[in-house]
Amino acid sequence: QSVLTQPPSASGTPGQRVTISCSGSSSNIGNNYVYWYQQLPGTAPKLLIYKNNQRPSGVPERFSGSKSGTSASLAISGLRSEDEADYYCAAWDDSLSALFGGGTKLTVL
Amino acid sequence: EVQLVESGGGLVQPGGSLRLSCAASGFTFSAFAMTWVRQAPGKGLEWVSAISASTSTIYYADSVKGRFSISRDNSQNTLYLQMNSLRAEDTAIYYCAIPDSAMVPGYDWGQGTLVTVAS
Repeated sequence: QSVLTQPPSASGTPGQRVTISCSGSSSNIGNNYVYWYQQLPGTAPKLLIYKNNQRPSGVPERFSGSKSGTSASLAISGLRSEDEADYYCAAWDDSLSALFGGGTKLTVL
Repeated sequence: EVQLVESGGGLVQPGGSLRLSCAASGFTFSAFAMTWVRQAPGKGLEWVSAISASTSTIYYADSVKGRFSISRDNSQNTLYLQMNSLRAEDTAIYYCAIPDSAMVPGYDWGQGTLVTVAS
């Protein structure tokens, strides 16, 4: 089973806009919804985006998701120090399993 | 308030077995599919298995197929993961979570339970 491809790291300064990409294939991102999670050290993942671009209640509007073809992106605007975390994308694959990206470590400089 | 509490983790020797439990409360457990996700120390997330509300549909990752078995007791509001023939690479924190419409983890996760496979 393949893993969705994310850059291992990303960085930005406070107030900046940062995007994290997630690349897949026609059997996963291309044909199914994309989900994004934030994980702070020592804690369980937190859902940020579901069904490509929907935010759960309580998630700031600074976080947004998009999908085009077999790729997806998470954008964080107005970067804050508390956004420093690991970010994961996920999608269902038509081979009947869910896939996660390898994760992106976001550093706020 | 939704609560998912995993238990049953611990140290087990290679080739051994362990059964994880996930006690659910704060929602109608029997109406929701459930899923297990794991995270090896210092590594990323890996989806493990999912089960539909009625248990009619079950999915496994290739890495655990034939060794792990997911089940649920809707009368006890509990999800299980029976893990057999454990390997060192199964060492991880195991989370249970309520999936979204697809069997992808959604908003509610447990705090995780650590499984260590070592001699």
